[in-house]
Amino acid sequence: GAVVSQHPSRVICKSGTSVKIECRSLDFQATTMFWYRQFPKQSLMLMATSNEGSKATYEQGVEKDKFLINHASLTLSTLTVTSAHPEDSSFYICSARETSGGSTDTQYFGPGTRLTVL
Amino acid sequence: SQKIEQNSEALNIQEGKTATLTCNYTNYSPAYLQWYRQDPGRGPVFLLLIRENEKEKRKERLKVTFDTTLKQSLFHITASQPADSATYLCALDHNYGQNFVFGPGTRLSVLP
Repeated sequence: GAVVSQHPSRVICKSGTSVKIECRSLDFQATTMFWYRQFPKQSLMLMATSNEGSKATYEQGVEKDKFLINHASLTLSTLTVTSAHPEDSSFYICSARETSGGSTDTQYFGPGTRLTVL
Repeated sequence: SQKIEQNSEALNIQEGKTATLTCNYTNYSPAYLQWYRQDPGRGPVFLLLIRENEKEKRKERLKVTFDTTLKQSLFHITASQPADSATYLCALDHNYGQNFVFGPGTRLSVLP
């Protein structure tokens, strides 16, 4: 099946710094990638939808200036958490939609990135 | 308001038995529904997709049903094994398949 990778898998940073997380589709092209956040014992919450070559669409309540998304190619999307604070500590997961032209394309998820802001 | 619920936060069953997980939704009209497995500290892994015009879907020991009248999907694991222990998430298509909305998940523990 399709494989999605994320880097780094774990990051610890000081409050006020910025952190970049990469999401790559390894063996398929993904015109659409999604970024989710998951707090302990809670489900995935969609943060934004990233389309290659265009601006990301953010869900309500997600600050686009704080969570910068770049989808520069069909296999790479990045999420930058700017000026991170302890409340941004979470598990960030990306997914990529394998485009087959239908409306039921499956999302394949990356392994996630654990962000801890001290 | 729109809501997705999964029957229980945690479910314990004995090895060899059939595990049945429930996903109920309110004020959604999904064209299809998906089930994922998530292990601790890992991303979700796709298991099965069932469309609104399908009553049942099977894959090896897994079976999913979809009742659009009841607004409910049931996910069954037959002959369960300790290796099946994980959190299982249901997800509905949203915005005409542009993205998905996930349920809170059910943490399944299969006891040897």
